[in-house]
Amino acid sequence: TQLLEQSPQFLSIQEGENLTVYCNSSSVFSSLQWYRQEPGEGPVLLVTVVTGGEVKKLKRLTFQFGDARKDSSLHITAAQPGDTGLYLCAGTILSNDYKLSFGAGTTVTVRA
Amino acid sequence: DTGVSQNPRHKITKRGQNVTFRCDPISEHNRLYWYRQTLGQGPEFLTYFQNEAQLEKSRLLSDRFSAERPKGSFSTLEIQRTEQGDSAMYLCASSLEGGQTGGRGKQFFGPGTRLTVL
Repeated sequence: TQLLEQSPQFLSIQEGENLTVYCNSSSVFSSLQWYRQEPGEGPVLLVTVVTGGEVKKLKRLTFQFGDARKDSSLHITAAQPGDTGLYLCAGTILSNDYKLSFGAGTTVTVRA
Repeated sequence: DTGVSQNPRHKITKRGQNVTFRCDPISEHNRLYWYRQTLGQGPEFLTYFQNEAQLEKSRLLSDRFSAERPKGSFSTLEIQRTEQGDSAMYLCASSLEGGQTGGRGKQFFGPGTRLTVL
């Protein structure tokens, strides 16, 4: 059983559209990370959020950490083909702050 | 390039053979982690080191698996008597704990070693 549930599992959109990926849990996290992974490569860290209600922006990407620190979302505005990839959320809990627990990922495909 | 590096990138072996993977973390990072990722899943934690000390091993890490970080720098992961179920991507990550910019989950991953057991 995975600690973090991601939805949707797959997302295919046209270039220029917006998308949102969700990451939910019944557990409280001390930190939450979003990674993007290309086929055959390791995950690349996009952002870390640690405070409930925190919002971070990275160009066209907006990340939000839920007030209760149990959920997070990733919103991409005006998606481009270069945004295609597997998006993974991962969190740490206070008692195990060294261990990242990952969701299963959301595969995003942006069509030109 | 000063990121995490892993070697080899790909390994194909026959069932029953031993394999060893190497990970070189970001030089100033004191923590090093090993994860395993199978198709369609997120990475799963295997073990981690704080400097040269191995502080936790997951239940996923059977007796056939051993990891070392002898001088607190690079690490090796050895799998003895490989089985087909060991086929996966093995990922290494590192982080700086206690520093101003590190900690609290900010782990940086290498490109991984893809293991195929025939």
